[in-house]
Amino acid sequence: DAKTTQPTSMDCAEGRAANLPCNHSTISGNEYVYWYRQIHSQGPQYIIHGLKNNETNEMASLIITEDRKSSTLILPHATLRDTAVYYCIVRVGSNFGNEKLTFGTGTRLTIIP
Amino acid sequence: AAGVIQSPRHLIKEKRETATLKCYPIPRHDTVYWYQQGPGQDPQFLISFYEKMQSDKGSIPDRFSAQQFSDYHSELNMSSLELGDSALYFCASSLEASFGINYGYTFGSGTRLTVV
Repeated sequence: DAKTTQPTSMDCAEGRAANLPCNHSTISGNEYVYWYRQIHSQGPQYIIHGLKNNETNEMASLIITEDRKSSTLILPHATLRDTAVYYCIVRVGSNFGNEKLTFGTGTRLTIIP
Repeated sequence: AAGVIQSPRHLIKEKRETATLKCYPIPRHDTVYWYQQGPGQDPQFLISFYEKMQSDKGSIPDRFSAQQFSDYHSELNMSSLELGDSALYFCASSLEASFGINYGYTFGSGTRLTVV
């Protein structure tokens, strides 16, 4: 799976949009971009994923550049409960259930009151 | 909605003892993954099962073994425990869609294993 690069940490004011960048310059054509977050010592939580189109769900938006070498996760109105480590992961789609998620270092996002 | 259930939530064992961690995936999910997360570290993949067959193997010590049963629940067996095995152990489950695109894993709350 392609390697991803994320900032080690970021701060965001409560109520503002949190924009978390991720570089994945070696991503392959069949690899998806996934975002997960882990709130202290809890199990990682799925946020969103995409291939090449921008995606939005009730939690966040995912903006993928046209060349797919980078993406940005947007939390539109950050709350204190969004404080967590955010992981950007690229992974192929699979028919055989053998494509694990490989966690990198992630971005520690702190929401400031 | 049903989630991934892991048991026990907490476990304390002495060195050289054995431990068994259990994972009950979301109903109808056919794939189970095990991860280990040491203090201050990121989750590390251990092993996975798809339709009760081992599908992938990561940095799992030989002292550990796992299996997935006919009801799709999975157990991680750990023997000759060492202090370094103290960690959070997460199980995740997923359902591979018919056209092969995974819609995301659901993780359990984890088992905190402390080896003393």
